Amino acid sequence: DTAVSQTPKYLVTQMGNDKSIKCEQNLGHDTMYWYKQDSKKFLKIMFSYNNKELIINETVPNRFSPKSPDKAHLNLHINSLELGDSAVYFCASSQELPGSVQFFGPGTRLTVL
Amino acid sequence: QKEVEQDPGPLSVPEGAIVSLNCTYSNSAFQYFMWYRQYSRKGPELLMYTYSSGNKEDGRFTAQVDKSSKYISLFIRDSQPSDSATYLCAMRENNAGNMLTFGGGTRLMVKP
Repeated sequence: DTAVSQTPKYLVTQMGNDKSIKCEQNLGHDTMYWYKQDSKKFLKIMFSYNNKELIINETVPNRFSPKSPDKAHLNLHINSLELGDSAVYFCASSQELPGSVQFFGPGTRLTVL
Repeated sequence: QKEVEQDPGPLSVPEGAIVSLNCTYSNSAFQYFMWYRQYSRKGPELLMYTYSSGNKEDGRFTAQVDKSSKYISLFIRDSQPSDSATYLCAMRENNAGNMLTFGGGTRLMVKP
């Protein structure tokens, strides 16, 4: 009965490859997010997405793109992976209402070689 | 300078101690303030949530917000080894699409 789940848990890949990370939430939430956590534990928002709008953190390279097949899923696709993309990626979800609590997934540890 | 600053620690305390964790921020538009706890290799989980200034207490945890000083605190009373984790403060403007800005986290170790 996991609330927010992500697959895979670990992802090791070569530079230049394209990869996707999947996220699913069963909380009935309207809004989903992707965060990147670097080696110093700094957690940074990448995207916020609901059925009305996609908000992109301006610092995120356009090699990163969120794709939402339905309200319960928000996948993260990464093109042309670079060494600096190595990090832990967290998916989160919340209600759309301002101030709603965000619930986080367990994270996907991406290592780019 | 980052928008939200947090001492990375580690902060090591004996079991039973009172722990004080703090964050400072520069954006006066932040209205919602949260503390998340993150165990090693896990996702962050919400501990405390406050709106604007004031105190909030929940069991052994107390959150304080001082907007005039742009300073927030989390106090943990009677700390336990199970409290050992990284504590992340997070905050949000009133109309920001629910997008949170996090501090870098403080690693806390409570020794038995």
